Amino acid sequence: EAQVTQNPRYLITVTGKKLTVTCSQNMNHEYMSWYRQDPGLGLRQIYYSMNVEVTDKGDVPEGYKVSRKEKRNFPLILESPSPNQTSLYFCASSFAGRVYGELFFGEGSRLTVL
Amino acid sequence: GESVGLHLPTLSVQEGDNSIINCAYSNSASDYFIWYKQESGKGPQFIIDIRSNMDKRQGQRVTVLLNKTVKHLSLQIAATQPGDSAVYFCAETSTGANSKLTFGKGITLSVRP
Repeated sequence: EAQVTQNPRYLITVTGKKLTVTCSQNMNHEYMSWYRQDPGLGLRQIYYSMNVEVTDKGDVPEGYKVSRKEKRNFPLILESPSPNQTSLYFCASSFAGRVYGELFFGEGSRLTVL
Repeated sequence: GESVGLHLPTLSVQEGDNSIINCAYSNSASDYFIWYKQESGKGPQFIIDIRSNMDKRQGQRVTVLLNKTVKHLSLQIAATQPGDSAVYFCAETSTGANSKLTFGKGITLSVRP
């Protein structure tokens, strides 16, 4: 089954404790992206990757890091989480030619930073 | 600044009726528009898209209308079903290099039995 898989789905952590949210897709997509979703603010892009070893900042990259060592994986790293990073996070992927069209989203990772 | 917005935050419809979800956009350079559906506890799911050289596109039970003159986009759902209850997002972008996909804030569709 074609899918984007995120882990963990739910996480409660404390300020300053490094964490990684993993994202994996099995559709051989070149493009991958991370979004955060907050009430009243909609979906905002954090980082994106056009292909392996190619990453770039989205609209709200502060406090986040990403890497794209393999085509299928695009982990989101919070080196020192803060309460304002409490949010619902989505990973998405698509073929490079359809970057701005049919994005496939994961189920989401709800993160709470105390 | 440029923005994508939705006219109403919630919409309640009777099962079997048609639903119309509206979206306004302000970036005149946008030439590609997409509707996504997000069910509770899930990620957004692509519904239908339309390019600016079209004013209407139909899918299965859904139709997207684009009015470039007034920068307005709508999603029509025929014979609304309980499974259509979700948050709907419009999104816009241009197909040029380095363009970005901008999502609207979402509207909740609630289907009454």
